[in-house]
Amino acid sequence: EAGVAQSPRYKIIEKRQSVAFWCNPISGHATLYWYQQILGQGPKLLIQFQNNGVVDDSQLPKDRFSAERLKGVDSTLKIQPAKLEDSAVYLCASSPLLKFSEQYFGPGTRLTVT
Amino acid sequence: AQTVTQSQPEMSVQEAETVTLSCTYDTSESDYYLFWYKQPPSRQMILVIRQEAYKQQNATENRFSVNFQKAAKSFSLKISDSQLGDAAMYFCAYINSGGSNYKLTFGKGTLLTVNP
Repeated sequence: EAGVAQSPRYKIIEKRQSVAFWCNPISGHATLYWYQQILGQGPKLLIQFQNNGVVDDSQLPKDRFSAERLKGVDSTLKIQPAKLEDSAVYLCASSPLLKFSEQYFGPGTRLTVT
Repeated sequence: AQTVTQSQPEMSVQEAETVTLSCTYDTSESDYYLFWYKQPPSRQMILVIRQEAYKQQNATENRFSVNFQKAAKSFSLKISDSQLGDAAMYFCAYINSGGSNYKLTFGKGTLLTVNP
């Protein structure tokens, strides 16, 4: 079974530029999560989708971050414009429907904003 | 709000020895899960072990076991016969299973070094 795929693995941008990250969850997993992990901290949930609907986006900075999950499969997380404090690892995870205790993580994207 | 606290930023252990990582949490919920995740330098979060709060028996997975003290809200991880491959960041995490969303709340992590 293929795991959660993410791309790119690394990205360096200047502040005020835009960036997008892509996630492909494990086949058949209905729930998809985006977490932000700042250096020295544990991951923090940004947004959770169930199929193509948003379950929780309470910690997503909506003035600059957006995310979508078209057709309930792949997802894209976008930042526009980026700030220095957005430098972090962005982790995508997925879980089967109603099996929230089984979250599988992708390898993450390390974003550096200069 | 739920919080997870890991009071040991760094720990070290000799290969083949045993080490215990500490975690405490705060919640008013009665139904929840606790987890230990391992994050090597590759950054991928790997589930090490999972404990359901309603189960009194401590979870074990090969060389990994937990000491779950529900009343004290403590959830420590014991690694026996430590191996070089165990070196990583370890995160304690919590999910409220009675809520409407199922976000993981993580501690700040403990960096484990295994000395040969």
